[in-house]
Amino acid sequence: GNSVTQMEGPVTLSEEAFLTINCTYTATGYPSLFWYVQYPGEGLQLLLKATKADDKGSNKGFEATYRKETTSFHLEKGSVQVSDSAVYFCAWRGEKLTFGTGTRLTIIP
Amino acid sequence: DTGVSQDPRHKITKRGQNVTFRCDPISEHNRLYWYRQTLGQGPEFLTYFQNEAQLEKSRLLSDRFSAERPKGSFSTLEIQRTEQGDSAMYLCASSLANRNSGRSDEQFFGPGTRLTVL
Repeated sequence: GNSVTQMEGPVTLSEEAFLTINCTYTATGYPSLFWYVQYPGEGLQLLLKATKADDKGSNKGFEATYRKETTSFHLEKGSVQVSDSAVYFCAWRGEKLTFGTGTRLTIIP
Repeated sequence: DTGVSQDPRHKITKRGQNVTFRCDPISEHNRLYWYRQTLGQGPEFLTYFQNEAQLEKSRLLSDRFSAERPKGSFSTLEIQRTEQGDSAMYLCASSLANRNSGRSDEQFFGPGTRLTVL
């Protein structure tokens, strides 16, 4: 069935480190792909998205490229900050959103 | 504030009681979604509406769960005879779907209602 497999956490990094959170999906067709972020005590927010193969979504220094050949949408950031500490969810959308289990990211100064 | 709002933010109830949650979407959005998120998991789809019509229900939505959107604006989610396994965060989201293509734009999420069943 349709699913999203996301890198398990928690992930702890030092400030200014490079971040990769892996995400692969199983879906029929070519769904839109998303990364959502949930900061402590807040609701889900869209971080970035890509709607077709080879599209790159970017926001707040984060990037992810829609790779059809590997069915992946890995999240990357070159230099993380303490304020990036949150839970990150990969998702794909047919009509509804199908989410991964989330990766908790903690950045230490 | 013109975002998605949910009420209450927290609800503690005893097993067997009924609870009702409310979601107010962004005013011009015609689609409204309910998701459930348990600890350590991603949100799981429950149901969604286009205007007042309930278009899809997940098998997660047992017969103890009922959702309505009577006027195509706010929605309610009722859980009857609550069980401890119903403890979760209930999330509401809304979006604007194109009337011709049916394709939906970005979903905007509310802060959620955290339900604890004792």
